Parts: sequence; C-alpha cells; structure tokens
Amino acid sequence: NAGVTQTPKFRILKIGQSMTLQCTQDMNHNYMYWYRQDPGMGLKLIYYSVGAGITDKGEVPNGYNVSRSTTEDFPLRLELAAPSQTSVYFCASSYSFGQGGETQYFGPGTRLLVL
Amino acid sequence: GENVEQHPSTLSVQEGDSAVIKCTYSDSASNYFPWYKQELGKRPQLIIDIRSNVGEKKDQRIAVTLNKTAKHFSLHITETQPEDSAVYFCAARTMEYGNKLVFGAGTILRVKS
Repeated sequence: NAGVTQTPKFRILKIGQSMTLQCTQDMNHNYMYWYRQDPGMGLKLIYYSVGAGITDKGEVPNGYNVSRSTTEDFPLRLELAAPSQTSVYFCASSYSFGQGGETQYFGPGTRLLVL
Repeated sequence: GENVEQHPSTLSVQEGDSAVIKCTYSDSASNYFPWYKQELGKRPQLIIDIRSNVGEKKDQRIAVTLNKTAKHFSLHITETQPEDSAVYFCAARTMEYGNKLVFGAGTILRVKS
C-alpha cells in the first residue's frame, strides 16, 4: 500500500500560469480532501469529495478547481496562479462516517511557490 | 461555522517533563477530535483521537481529555523525549462539510535534552 501519493513535490510557477497538483490513494477511501498550509498556520480545507463524481467547496476554494472521475484520483487545478497561492498543499483521504472512518491520511505534500 | 483555537503556540519543556496543549471549539455538535503530529517537512500524522462519548483516552505516553460542557480538549504528553519535538495540531469534526476537520493553528513543541 502506497497510501496517499502526491506529485510534484515542489514547483515554482510564474504569476498567471496554470498547473494541476496530482493526488492518488490506493486505500479505496471514498472521501478525499485538499488542504493548504501556510507558514506557521494550520490546515485550511480547499475542496473535498465524498465519492467519484461528487465534489464540493471547503473554506478557501477561490482560485482552485477539482474533479473526481475515479475513486483513486483527486487532482487540484490552479488556473491563474497568484502569489497568495504560495503554500504547501496536502491531499488527504478517509473512509466515510462511523467508527474508525474519521481518520484522515495525508499525502507528503506539494510545495508551491508563485513568483 | 466551527472555530478551533489552540494554545500555546509554542511550548518548550525539559526532557522527561510533561507537556499539555489545549484546544477550544465553538460548535457544540462537533463529535470527533483528533490530534495530529507534523515533523519538519513531513505530512501530518494522527497520534490520538477521541469521540464525544468518551471523556479520556490514553495511548502509552499520550492522553487526550475532553470536556464537552466547556467545549475544550487537551493533549497530554508525559515523559517527553527529543523525538516528541514537532508541531501538534488539534482538530474538531463538523458536519458542515461532510467529514470536514477544522484545525487549530498548531503548537510548536520543543523538548530540550
């Protein structure tokens, strides 16, 4: 089991460029999440998905888009990169509600720098 | 929506001492409270969690207590070791966005040997 994997590990973007952050999990989790972590701060939820074909906004969705065509993959798209999107991005996954279903497993993160 | 406050923001202890980190939450409907440990440059990892029907939970040197009336929960680490040095995040689960967790801002724990 690889768990949750993310690519790339690090990326530098110019203002206005676009990119997709990839996230894959092999635990058959139906819930997946994208967080951003700014320096010295906690994790803020960007988007989440409760299953293939279903996505919804979290606390800070502006400037991002997501899709969920399969159970395993949950890519995050930045269309017009801005310096405010400089952050570390974590993908996470979990089972649904219920005993033992709450634990979220995080990927290794993608460090993004927008200049 | 749910708001989680975490204190202190930094905590330095001598090896072997205890460390306590406290969090308060605002949504009385929140029912699940995990604690995550994040080492420098690494991903957050769950170290312990507690559900609202339990007041205390222990796992070796780590314990979590929950006071639903006061809406606060705490992480207790006893006999601290240098490898406990990390950032610790508390979180509360709200039903507002699916299985959403709202995270505290984190506590940097430094264990001095």
